Amino acid sequence: TQLLEQSPQFLSIQEGENLTVYCNSSSVFSSLQWYRQEPGEGPVLLVTVVTGGEVKKLKRLTFQFGDARKDSSLHITAAQPGDTGLYLCAGAGGTASKLTFGTGTRLQVTL
Amino acid sequence: SAVISQKPSRDICQRGTSLTIQCQVDSQVTMMFWYRQQPGQSLTLIATANQGSEATYESGFVIDKFPISRPNLTFSTLTVSNMSPEDSSIYLCSVGQGRTVARYEQYFGPGTRLTVT
Repeated sequence: TQLLEQSPQFLSIQEGENLTVYCNSSSVFSSLQWYRQEPGEGPVLLVTVVTGGEVKKLKRLTFQFGDARKDSSLHITAAQPGDTGLYLCAGAGGTASKLTFGTGTRLQVTL
Repeated sequence: SAVISQKPSRDICQRGTSLTIQCQVDSQVTMMFWYRQQPGQSLTLIATANQGSEATYESGFVIDKFPISRPNLTFSTLTVSNMSPEDSSIYLCSVGQGRTVARYEQYFGPGTRLTVT
């Protein structure tokens, strides 16, 4: 069974601070995706990383896929209240169509 | 990406009853998935629903409790049967798109928030 552990589980920071969320596994994934979920809504796909060592930037968000394709990180620069939500990583591999979801990181950004 | 809608968006049900959740997609898709998300938790896959075949259930989920229909390439239903308070959760459907394993992505509906009293 593939497991994805995220850390930290909860994070409460002030606007303008930087933060990093980690997603770790002992399994290798073909690709890894990051989602953000706001209350009352379904998860929204932010990015997919495919190549080991790949770095993708989405405005103030930077995503990295580990060289061995077992882990990933999400770094947010100058966090804003609009970044508040549940961040989920999800790995694709094994059975092609199924995703393994991480344990989740709940982020709260206050003024 | 596909646009996905779910009905109902929320419901409060009595124990022992059943609720059917509908998932509608604006384009034809092969793979549809049903997830459960308990309060404050991550997503747990219930089953994969392919058109024209029986749904494939994950460990811990059975067809008698969560029967699924997939009559065509744009629609699916999940029924939560004989409900108990432990079934109170958000139920999400998603669709999979992508030409290769590495490019495979899932897109989610807004979810159905179920409370069982």
